[in-house]
Amino acid sequence: DAGITQSPRYKITETGRQVTLMCHQTWSHSYMFWYRQDLGHGLRLIYYSAAADITDKGEVPDGYVVSRSKTENFPLTLESATRSQTSVYFCASSENRGAGTEAFFGQGTRLTVV
Amino acid sequence: AQSVTQPDIHITVSEGASLELRCNYSYGATPYLFWYVQSPGQGLQLLLKYFSGDTLVQGIKGFEAEFKRSQSSFNLRKPSVHWSDAAEYFCAQYAGNNRKLIWGLGTSLAVNP
Repeated sequence: DAGITQSPRYKITETGRQVTLMCHQTWSHSYMFWYRQDLGHGLRLIYYSAAADITDKGEVPDGYVVSRSKTENFPLTLESATRSQTSVYFCASSENRGAGTEAFFGQGTRLTVV
Repeated sequence: AQSVTQPDIHITVSEGASLELRCNYSYGATPYLFWYVQSPGQGLQLLLKYFSGDTLVQGIKGFEAEFKRSQSSFNLRKPSVHWSDAAEYFCAQYAGNNRKLIWGLGTSLAVNP
């Protein structure tokens, strides 16, 4: 199906484990973003990417790694999960058509670190 | 630093009543502003956006927003709320580079029958 999809939708992992959240979009949008959503903090940008092989840090990048070898995929890896990384993670994509371009969001991944 | 403020954390309205959600931005002579809605368990969906022209913009689901430069505001309105409008609403402003957005903390809307 066309759009932006995240997998898994729900994940429980243990402290210290590595976990990867997947994001795939079918529009060939240039920009992709990873956010985390926490009560009282709204949406915070973790990493973003302007194109394949171009990534940059957002507000809260510590403990996360991203890669973008293909335009359509933007996986987010937690190298060694901590309880503070329990959150809902959203991937988004956007065309490179100027400042007024909207972002399209996936349905989110709810990650629990125990 | 740029910021977007949504003064109301939670609002409850009765079905059929009018609604206004407040948003204040802090930067930009001509800001690019957005309202998104997040239904429970879902991702965010764009309701409407403003970046130039008419200061009253129409969006999906019967929503509209008015840009007021003098008040640095971009308030979201709906004349008659439906129970299905219960959701989290986010105001956002273009950060000025790399398509990044600055987000408000959101307003949670509850609708009483």
